[in-house]
Amino acid sequence: DIQMTQSPSSLSASVGDRVTITCRANETISKYLNWYQHKPGKAPKFLIYAASSLQSGVPSRFSGSGSGTDFTLTISGLQPEDFATYYCHQSYRTPYTFGQGTKLDIK
Amino acid sequence: QVQLQESGSGLVKPSGTLSLTCTVSGASINNYYWSWIRQSPGKGLEWIGYIYYIGSTNYNPSLESRVSMSVDTSKNQFSLKLNSVTAADTAVYYCARLSPLWRDFDYWGQGILGIVSS
Repeated sequence: DIQMTQSPSSLSASVGDRVTITCRANETISKYLNWYQHKPGKAPKFLIYAASSLQSGVPSRFSGSGSGTDFTLTISGLQPEDFATYYCHQSYRTPYTFGQGTKLDIK
Repeated sequence: QVQLQESGSGLVKPSGTLSLTCTVSGASINNYYWSWIRQSPGKGLEWIGYIYYIGSTNYNPSLESRVSMSVDTSKNQFSLKLNSVTAADTAVYYCARLSPLWRDFDYWGQGILGIVSS
């Protein structure tokens, strides 16, 4: 299985901050990397596909980059509704696997 | 707007079978892949498998011996059965649509808690 490692596992930030979350695969996955936002009790929300393409309707303060094994999710200008847990997901090969999550909370 | 809703047995005895159904609204189940994903308490997300609308499947090898999925296009539903369950199968189970090109999960259900307990 392809292992996905996210860092940090938790992060405290303030409204208006810029934050970056890193996701690393233990083998190359080209650009088959997706990002999701998850709030307790809610359906996960799909943010970014193909490492850097923004899903329709997702605010432009979210951006993704990377290819191969190293990827980042950046949120520029944090808003109150952005405090949540974020997961990366590789769709290069089954079994599909996820990072362990990064919990973003208010400082 | 595409919506997915999980339903099914919330409490299952050890060695029993967890049975869940996902009802899709706002889109046809045809021409798409449909997945199940779970999250055990305090843990990350685990992909269980997917089913194509014509019935072909792909399961996570870690669960393959205990999992089966089916689809009912007339009801716009797909289902999961997980047998020989143990406490380790206690989790929130999500259904999701798998997009064909980049194989991202573009729509998710809210999740249903499946508890394995005697």
